[in-house]
Amino acid sequence: EVQLSESGGGLVRPGGSLRLSCEASGFTFGIFTMSWVRQAPGKGLEWVSVLDNSGEVTYYADSVKGRFTISRDNSRNAMFLQMNSLRTDDTAVYFCARIGISGIFDIWGQGTTLTVSS
Amino acid sequence: EIVLTQSPGTLSLSPGERATLSCRASQSVSSEYFAWYRQKAGQAPRLLIYAASNRATGIPDRFSGSGSGTDFTLTISRLEPEDFAVYYCQQYGNGNSPRYSFGQGTRLEI
Repeated sequence: EVQLSESGGGLVRPGGSLRLSCEASGFTFGIFTMSWVRQAPGKGLEWVSVLDNSGEVTYYADSVKGRFTISRDNSRNAMFLQMNSLRTDDTAVYFCARIGISGIFDIWGQGTTLTVSS
Repeated sequence: EIVLTQSPGTLSLSPGERATLSCRASQSVSSEYFAWYRQKAGQAPRLLIYAASNRATGIPDRFSGSGSGTDFTLTISRLEPEDFAVYYCQQYGNGNSPRYSFGQGTRLEI
C-alpha cells in the first residue's frame, strides 16, 4: 500500500526549532518530487516547500523562505523539514505529499501538528 | 501569483442531490495543471480530479470535473453521506519557480 507517515510535531516556543520527518512506503520514493503542505487551525491548505527527486532542487513559499529547509534521504525513503525561527503563525498541521503528474498532490500523509506558543 | 477563488463558501444540500462547486483563477491556467481535492473532517486531503477532468484512482464516477482558462467546476451528481466535507481546487504554475496555489475551500454540508 502506498503510504506517507509524518512525525516530529510538537509544542515549540516562538523562535525555536523543530524537524519534521516523512516516511514513505509502497512506492519507489527516489523517483518522485515531494512536498510539504500545511493547514493552520480552521484554515485552508498552504503549500510550504517542494523538493525534486534528487534532493538538489528546492523551492519554498515566501512565508517560510530563509527559515525552513527541506531535504530527503532516498536510502531511507524519508523526507524532512527543518524549521527554524518559528513564529506563532507557523502553527498548523503539516502534511507531506507526493507530487504526481502535472504538479498535483496525489498521495498525502495523515499530518503532524506543530504548535508554536509561549 | 495566481489566486484561486472558490464559490460558494458553504453549500447546503441533502444526500442524493447534485452539487456544483466553482473555482475561478485570477488569470488563465493550464487545465493540465488543475486539480480538486476532498478533505473530510480530521483527515488529510484526497485527490479527486486531476488535469481538470480526470478522476483519480478509486474515485467514483459521480464526481466529474470540467472547465478551462479561468473557470473550473466540480460536479457531484448524487451526494453520498461521505461527500459532506471541504473541497479545494489547486493549480500548479511552472514558471521561473514552481508555485502551488489552493483555493480557500468550499464546505459542503447537510
